Amino acid sequence: GAGVSQSPSNKVTEKGKDVELRCDPISGHTALYWYRQRLGQGLEFLIYFQGNSAPDKSGLPSDRFSAERTGESVSTLTIQRTQQEDSAVYLCASSLVGGRQDTQYFGPGTRLTVL
Amino acid sequence: AQKITQTQPGMFVQEKEAVTLDCTYDTSDPSYGLFWYKQPSSGEMIFLIYQGSYDQQNATEGRYSLNFQKARKSANLVISASQLGDSAMYFCATNYGGATNKLIFGTGTLLAVQP
Repeated sequence: GAGVSQSPSNKVTEKGKDVELRCDPISGHTALYWYRQRLGQGLEFLIYFQGNSAPDKSGLPSDRFSAERTGESVSTLTIQRTQQEDSAVYLCASSLVGGRQDTQYFGPGTRLTVL
Repeated sequence: AQKITQTQPGMFVQEKEAVTLDCTYDTSDPSYGLFWYKQPSSGEMIFLIYQGSYDQQNATEGRYSLNFQKARKSANLVISASQLGDSAMYFCATNYGGATNKLIFGTGTLLAVQP
């Protein structure tokens, strides 16, 4: 079946502009995660959605970052007033139910460059 | 808090030989999962193998096996019969203790397979 998809694959923006990144999880997966990967580093957790539960936003670095998810489908990550330090690859993952033994499957990522 | 340490920034291996990538973790939670992901130059995170903290046997998936030593808190990845296509970044990760299944990643090991 289809994997996790993300769009756009690349985004170049000017400092101060807002950007929206989109994630389509694997069909039937109730858990969805956003991570950020800065150049040469590992992934940092940003936010987690599980069904209708309140999202875990503990990884969002500032109030300029927000994310939404409609039901168990598409999620959008919004970064307002972008800064150069926001430049990174933003990866989305989904898993079946979000349990400890649940494997997260990742999308190809969106490479964000803030000029 | 959970922490993952990968002490090998880079490794070389000859084609067809086996290689071990090190990973140690630090957690006070008795229930956790350990994951290995491969990230080729294309950027996508590819799930390789999972080990649960209560699993009695070491996990294996084809040419990948996980050398799980719970007392030492290590979860090394062993790749047998290396192939040129194995050249990539390899990340070890663990679940974060708590209500969500967010992953904590190490800094990765860059593996280069030489012909």
